[in-house]
Amino acid sequence: DTGVSQNPRHKITKRGQNVTFRCDPISEHNRLYWYRQTLGQGPEFLTYFQNEAQLEKSRLLSDRFSAERPKGSFSTLEIQRTEQGDSAMYLCASSLVSGKLYEQYFGPGTRLTVT
Amino acid sequence: EDQVTQSPEALRLQEGESSSLNCSYTVSGLRGLFWYRQDPGKGPDFLFTLYSAGEEKEKERLKATLTKKESFLHITAPKPEDSATYLCAVQGYGNNRLAFGKGNQVVVIP
Repeated sequence: DTGVSQNPRHKITKRGQNVTFRCDPISEHNRLYWYRQTLGQGPEFLTYFQNEAQLEKSRLLSDRFSAERPKGSFSTLEIQRTEQGDSAMYLCASSLVSGKLYEQYFGPGTRLTVT
Repeated sequence: EDQVTQSPEALRLQEGESSSLNCSYTVSGLRGLFWYRQDPGKGPDFLFTLYSAGEEKEKERLKATLTKKESFLHITAPKPEDSATYLCAVQGYGNNRLAFGKGNQVVVIP
């Protein structure tokens, strides 16, 4: 059984460029989440999908951010016109909502540095 | 809005010196409280879920407890490999997101 995987693990980009990250969830999980974490802070919710439907987005999420989950499998998170404030660790998590179980399992993250 | 406050922010322990980490929370109807361990540069690793006051969970040297307002993560006779940041998160009813605290950074000195 493989866990959540994310690619790339590290990304350095110049301000104004677009970047895209990929997340592959645990295979049987039906929910997928994106979080962002900056140094010294806990992860902050960005958005989540149930199967292929994007059901919730954080009010803090800029319109430069877009996420997709085609066919309810992997997901991509795109940031357009990156800014230095976008530098952070981007975390993906997945869960199987069943009965009383709501645990979210996280991937290793993608570290984004905007120069 | 669901909120989590963790204390202390940082803790240095001698190997074998037991201690407790605190997670205070406010949520409109608790669906679950979660503890994670996070090593530097890595994603959080799931440790425990607690659903109702009075519940306890144990794993090796870690024991998590829950009341109506807070949770404790007890570390018994810690070893250097227990050094990490421990994150607490809550999920309220009608909410699908986790609200995290800033974490407890624990360093265990041999």
